[in-house]
Amino acid sequence: GAGVSQSPSNKVTEKGKDVELRCDPISGHTALYWYRQSLGQGLEFLIYFQGNSAPDKSGLPSDRFSAERTGGSVSTLTIQRTQQEDSAVYLCASSRDRVVTEAFFGQGTRLTVV
Amino acid sequence: AQSVTQLGSHVSVSEGALVLLRCNYSSSVPPYLFWYVQYPNQGLQLLLKYTSAATLVKGINGFEAEFKKSETSFHLTKPSAHMSDAAEYFCAVSSGNTPLVFGKGTRLSVIA
Repeated sequence: GAGVSQSPSNKVTEKGKDVELRCDPISGHTALYWYRQSLGQGLEFLIYFQGNSAPDKSGLPSDRFSAERTGGSVSTLTIQRTQQEDSAVYLCASSRDRVVTEAFFGQGTRLTVV
Repeated sequence: AQSVTQLGSHVSVSEGALVLLRCNYSSSVPPYLFWYVQYPNQGLQLLLKYTSAATLVKGINGFEAEFKKSETSFHLTKPSAHMSDAAEYFCAVSSGNTPLVFGKGTRLSVIA
């Protein structure tokens, strides 16, 4: 497709379970970002992939969070042993190269931990 | 480190009135500045961006923003609000090769 695609759009999981969120960036975009959007908290940066460089993981809130990007394209964000405070909308974005160019966002995955 | 402060989590204006959404940034290097809009149940869409060219930047849907280095501000304006402008607006800053740092957002309501 032409835009950033995220799946699933909604995910309800039980506390303690692991979840995987998928992001398919725009073809040819080398940079990929994950953000978390909580009510009233804006967008919290999680992780940034740029080409073949080591990812910037400085925003990951705990070691329960991890992400990978295979073949420079699709990315998966994994949350292990989910907690209720992990409930949020997880947004993925991609850009052509450096971040100064427009970052295109997906529709997000709404995660609810019950 | 970079940061963004958006003054006012909620702004309400009458249809046809001026829209002013405030954004102040902190950056140790020349910043790149962005405004994004998020309509209900939709993803973020870029409104406009400042990348060290003209200080007055025009974006989509009649919005514009002015970069004022002396005030470390990048306020978003629109002369006449329309009902369709009701949305959440986010200001963001970057150094150019770092991820965008976002403010907490301002929800704009437009009253008929």
